[in-house]
Amino acid sequence: KAGVTQTPRYLIKTRGQQVTLSCSPISGHRSVSWYQQTPGQGLQFLFEYFSETQRNKGNFPGRFSGRQFSNSRSEMNVSTLELGDSALYLCASSLDHTNEGKLFFGSGTQLSVL
Amino acid sequence: GESVGLHLPTLSVQEGDNSIINCAYSNSASDYFIWYKQESGKGPQFIIDIRSNMDKRQGQRVTVLLNKTVKHLSLQIAATQPGDSAVYFCAENRGRDDKIIFGKGTRLHILP
Repeated sequence: KAGVTQTPRYLIKTRGQQVTLSCSPISGHRSVSWYQQTPGQGLQFLFEYFSETQRNKGNFPGRFSGRQFSNSRSEMNVSTLELGDSALYLCASSLDHTNEGKLFFGSGTQLSVL
Repeated sequence: GESVGLHLPTLSVQEGDNSIINCAYSNSASDYFIWYKQESGKGPQFIIDIRSNMDKRQGQRVTVLLNKTVKHLSLQIAATQPGDSAVYFCAENRGRDDKIIFGKGTRLHILP
């Protein structure tokens, strides 16, 4: 069974631009969560989607948004990029709601904002 | 941002010895705890979990201990091997809003 796939693996953007990251969950998994990982703040929860609905949201500004499609694939978008948005963005899928099971992570998208 | 606590950012252990990684959590309502391992260039990988109605759970070479009285979680790795070099995160599910919140992680170094 294929794992969680995130694309692209690396991204370089400049301040003010926007970016879209993609995540394909493990087949059959219906929940997708996104995390931002930085050396200083560790893993910070962004949001969780389940059956195309945002189920939970972390403490990030509205520039961070996401969506989930009917095939459970998910995208997250960051608009008006800031230098502080440079981070590893991790997507994780689980069979059902995150509180019922384990998260399976992709390898992440490394975003650098210049 | 939200996070569970962390006792030690780096731990160095002799190969073959046992490793103990500690974690503190703040929400007494949390009912599910998980340990993850993250190797360089990869996403975190599930190691072991424990629910709040248990105080100990064992896996293959790993044991998780939960002390609800002092809100403390630990991961014990027996006979540490070079492949155990990684950053280890504890995580908790806070029940009320079902988010899984991660600690900042402990980097485990294996000494030859």
